[in-house]
Amino acid sequence: DAGVIQSPRHEVTEMGQEVTLRCKPISGHDYLFWYRQTMMRGLELLIYFNNNVPIDDSGMPEDRFSAKMPNASFSTLKIQPSEPRDSAVYFCASSLREGNSPLHFGNGTRLTVT
Amino acid sequence: GEDVEQSLFLSVREGDSSVINCTYTDSSSTYLYWYKQEPGAGLQLLTYIFSNMDMKQDQRLTVLLNKKDKHLSLRIADTQTGDSAIYFCAERTYSSASKIIFGSGTRLSIRP
Repeated sequence: DAGVIQSPRHEVTEMGQEVTLRCKPISGHDYLFWYRQTMMRGLELLIYFNNNVPIDDSGMPEDRFSAKMPNASFSTLKIQPSEPRDSAVYFCASSLREGNSPLHFGNGTRLTVT
Repeated sequence: GEDVEQSLFLSVREGDSSVINCTYTDSSSTYLYWYKQEPGAGLQLLTYIFSNMDMKQDQRLTVLLNKKDKHLSLRIADTQTGDSAIYFCAERTYSSASKIIFGSGTRLSIRP
C-alpha cells in the first residue's frame, strides 16, 4: 500500500485566498484525522471522521476552516479566507477501527500564508 | 482532562542509551504509543504498549510503563545518528477511544 497520500506537499498563498488540502487515506481504514503542527502549539487534532462522517470537529479553530469526506478514499481541509497565523504543517492520518490500531500519517502539507 | 507531557530536548552521545520520558494524566489510558518524526516527514509509529503491560522490548527499543505514576519511557540502546528525530508519546483512552492525544515531542540529538 502507498500509505496516506497528501497533496500538495507545499502551499504558499497570500492572505485572504482560499486553500484546499487533500488527503487519500489507506484503503480499508475507517478513521481519518486532520492534525495541525506548529512550533508554538505542537500537534493539534482538528477533526476526525469515522466511515466518512465527521465525529468530532471541536479542534477546528474557527469557521474559516471546513473539512469534508465525500467518500472513503478522499478528504479535503479547506481554509477560506486564509490568514498568516494559519501557517503550519497539516497532517492527515488514517487508522482501522479502534483497539490498538495506530494512526498512519501522511507526509504533511506545509502551508505558508503571507 | 487528557494531557500528555514530555521534555522538549535530549542530547546523547553516539553509542550511549537514550531514555525519553513521558507522563500522562488520564488513568483510563488503554494504549500508549511512541512515534518518531524525521525532518520533513510525518509521524511514524515506533512501538506501542497496552496498559496492562509493564514492559515491551523490540530490538533496540524498550518501553517501560508505570501505571501508578502514569509514566512511560522509551529507551533506545546504542543510539545512532539515524535516531536523530522528534519522538512523540501518545495515548488512547476509554473516555475518547477514537482520539489519540499526543505530547509535545522530544527532540533527540546525537553528538559524536
